[in-house]
Amino acid sequence: GIQVEQSPPDLILQEGANSTLRCNFSDSVNNLQWFHQNPWGQLINLFYIPSGTKQNGRLSATTVATERYSLLYISSSQTTDSGVYFCAAIEAGNNRKLIWGLGTSLAVNP
Amino acid sequence: DTEVTQTPKHLVMGMTNKKSLKCEQHMGHRAMYWYKQKAKKPPELMFVYSYEKLSINESVPSRFSPECPNSSLLNLHLHALQPEDSALYLCASSRGEGYEQYFGPGTRLTVT
Repeated sequence: GIQVEQSPPDLILQEGANSTLRCNFSDSVNNLQWFHQNPWGQLINLFYIPSGTKQNGRLSATTVATERYSLLYISSSQTTDSGVYFCAAIEAGNNRKLIWGLGTSLAVNP
Repeated sequence: DTEVTQTPKHLVMGMTNKKSLKCEQHMGHRAMYWYKQKAKKPPELMFVYSYEKLSINESVPSRFSPECPNSSLLNLHLHALQPEDSALYLCASSRGEGYEQYFGPGTRLTVT
């Protein structure tokens, strides 16, 4: 089955800095989602992006399906961006389960 | 309204107790999910309901018993749990299996 790998595993930023998180997947996907899990455990949908580019405020994401990777950009980071960012994908075909990466743990310092 | 609600937020139970976790969505979604998440790990799928029928059971121990009374509600009945079952339990829903999933805030369960 598909494998999802995220990098880096940990990231520390100063407030105001920009960052790029990467998600590699081993096979074609029908569904790719980016989530932010805040320190209270809430999983927040950031993007549903099996291909293409999307932007939402300071966040944007790009998935290059042919090269099997997705990038999440965070600009002008804020302390509230701290938490764990997960990438999860569903393999193309008759597969219905989200396969998760191990996450990137982000700490934004004031 | 893209909200999934879960109750309770926190639950402490002994190993002989019976309790239930509840999940509700009003987005008209036809697939609902239970996940278990341990600290510093991604969520692990437990069960999937599609059109109110159990679609996926990830070989979860029988002390966890899911129930989908209608298309908006999903329950997880707990009985004779072990301390290692302490975790964050997340509910999610989607338009159908394979579509974008939306998560609830979770129930943090402690088994003593």
